[in-house]
Amino acid sequence: QKEVEQDPGPLSVPEGAIVSLNCTYSNSAFQYFMWYRQYSRKGPELLMYTYSSGNKEDGRFTAQVDKSSKYISLFIRDSQPSDSATYLCAMLRIQGAQKLVFGQGTRLTINP
Amino acid sequence: GAGVSQSPSNKVTEKGKDVELRCDPISGHTALYWYRQSLGQGLEFLIYFQGNSAPDKSGLPSDRFSAERTGGSVSTLTIQRTQQEDSAVYLCASSPAGRTANYEQYFGPGTRLTVT
Repeated sequence: QKEVEQDPGPLSVPEGAIVSLNCTYSNSAFQYFMWYRQYSRKGPELLMYTYSSGNKEDGRFTAQVDKSSKYISLFIRDSQPSDSATYLCAMLRIQGAQKLVFGQGTRLTINP
Repeated sequence: GAGVSQSPSNKVTEKGKDVELRCDPISGHTALYWYRQSLGQGLEFLIYFQGNSAPDKSGLPSDRFSAERTGGSVSTLTIQRTQQEDSAVYLCASSPAGRTANYEQYFGPGTRLTVT
């Protein structure tokens, strides 16, 4: 069983829709929870991060972490065609190996 | 400023040959990572360098894989006797110093390796 599970999709929604992306994880030692966005043929770029549990909002993007359920989410409001990309969740422990553990990535397409 | 750069951007090699992949991190970043991304898969950690500490090699899939970082800057990932299953995109990332945790990693564009 993988430490981080993410539905690979693909997910296709119309422009303006609310998008919900999710990951589950098994390792309770994770403390940092990130969402990276990856455009085709590019490296991933950090979109948002959350430390421990709670919500974080940045413009049209909201990240949620529920440590009791080991479940994280990314919501995109008023989705735009430019949001079409692969979204990867990633997690990090504070102590021990400082390596990101990634989900498989969800390929998202926003249709005009 | 300049981001993380990687070279070559594409590499096609024959099975059994050795390849070297290069990464130039962002200037001043003390942490450097190599990841591998296979088709339709997430990123798989390979190796991590932090300053002058011994590297964390726990993700290297076999002894055919090795990496070095010279002068705390440029890094080279070497794959010996390449196999077809080594075909993937190899991504390098760097992270600045002074953080509790290296959650913000800056990625290069990757090297797409194809082993024929």
